[in-house]
Amino acid sequence: DTAVSQTPKYLVTQMGNDKSIKCEQNLGHDTMYWYKQDSKKFLKIMFSYNNKELIINETVPNRFSPKSPDKAHLNLHINSLELGDSAVYFCASSQRTASEKLFFGSGTQLSVL
Amino acid sequence: DQQVKQNSPSLSVQEGRISILNCDYTNSMFDYFLWYKKYPAEGPTFLISISSIKDKNEDGRFTVFLNKSAKHLSLHIVPSQPGDSAVYFCAASTYTGNQFYFGTGTSLTVIP
Repeated sequence: DTAVSQTPKYLVTQMGNDKSIKCEQNLGHDTMYWYKQDSKKFLKIMFSYNNKELIINETVPNRFSPKSPDKAHLNLHINSLELGDSAVYFCASSQRTASEKLFFGSGTQLSVL
Repeated sequence: DQQVKQNSPSLSVQEGRISILNCDYTNSMFDYFLWYKKYPAEGPTFLISISSIKDKNEDGRFTVFLNKSAKHLSLHIVPSQPGDSAVYFCAASTYTGNQFYFGTGTSLTVIP
């Protein structure tokens, strides 16, 4: 039973399309995150939600919109995809804030053609 | 603005020998540090942590050392095993903060 699961694992799409990545955690954690790992392998936070409330919103284009229907789910919707959006996106969760260790999903490899 | 740096992108070590992975940070407010291990096509998994009140934390074959004055930490793996071959990420935070800052990872290859 996977603790943090995200779908799809691979996503190949054309420029200009809109796509979503879903994430669910069954750990009972209060906080969920989206991280982006770019081509330089730099793992950078995008968003963080605590009990469905947005607490971190880094400098990310507003084409990226997170949605948290409940504290076990944090989805990422991306509008008007661009070539530079190609990356691996990781969902993660922690018990409370980031002072607790993170549990990561297996990642979504997004390729924009 | 990369606050956590891992300057060695890769490291190769013979099985049974010691692996030493290094990490430097710039923010003196960081007081909590973690190491994550990542296999291909999987997410990072927590390995070991250390708080700034300690200079060493040990868990089996894994030991993390923290040198606050140098803003440097290292992960020692002894003895190294082929199954340790993975990418290792260093991460830092403050206890009152709300996010971790990650390094770019070091790819460790343990040669049988």
